[in-house]
Amino acid sequence: GEDVEQSLFLSVREGDSSVINCTYTDSSSTYLYWYKQEPGAGLQLLTYIFSNMDMKQDQRLTVLLNKKDKHLSLRIADTQTGDSAIYFCAEGSSNTGKLIFGQGTTLQVKP
Amino acid sequence: GAVVSQHPSWVICKSGTSVKIECRSLDFQATTMFWYRQFPKQSLMLMATSNEGSKATYEQGVEKDKFLINHASLTLSTLTVTSAHPEDSSFYICSARDLWVGGETQYFGPGTRLLVL
Repeated sequence: GEDVEQSLFLSVREGDSSVINCTYTDSSSTYLYWYKQEPGAGLQLLTYIFSNMDMKQDQRLTVLLNKKDKHLSLRIADTQTGDSAIYFCAEGSSNTGKLIFGQGTTLQVKP
Repeated sequence: GAVVSQHPSWVICKSGTSVKIECRSLDFQATTMFWYRQFPKQSLMLMATSNEGSKATYEQGVEKDKFLINHASLTLSTLTVTSAHPEDSSFYICSARDLWVGGETQYFGPGTRLLVL
């Protein structure tokens, strides 16, 4: 069945780059999303990429997609303490709109 | 980005009562919305797909008579937890699917925390 895997924890120093990785199994996924969740809050859409793209950049965020390896990554440049949160990747089907989520990666940013 | 609201953000109720949670897309129309449940330190679990003008479709293991979903308009879906019990205490999050020609995005609400005493 469909499955999305993420590492559970990442710790970086303020000002460094963070790279959060994600692997998925459904090759028919059309959209791949990155969401950010702060404590007690809902999910904030950070960025998304269509499956026919290799890379997308949006200010400090860079998403890389390797369709062959079914690997997605989110790079946050110049990581700030305000970036500390849980980051979820999700794969989506254009047929149903359903999203399959990874377990979430907790990003800890040390000053 | 588009905004999705949920109301209430917090609710505490007695066991046996019913609780209604609203999910609204504020600046786009959503024929499809989704309801999720999230337990502490865990990922989101999809409960059901809410379809405007038709019945909701539930994921395996989710009781449809327990979690009633009504998608009354293109901007509003409601989830009613009927006869709530302490094990229904959780964080409930909705999302709304924004579809346009050639693409789509999905936006989430801020969540509703339910505590059943």
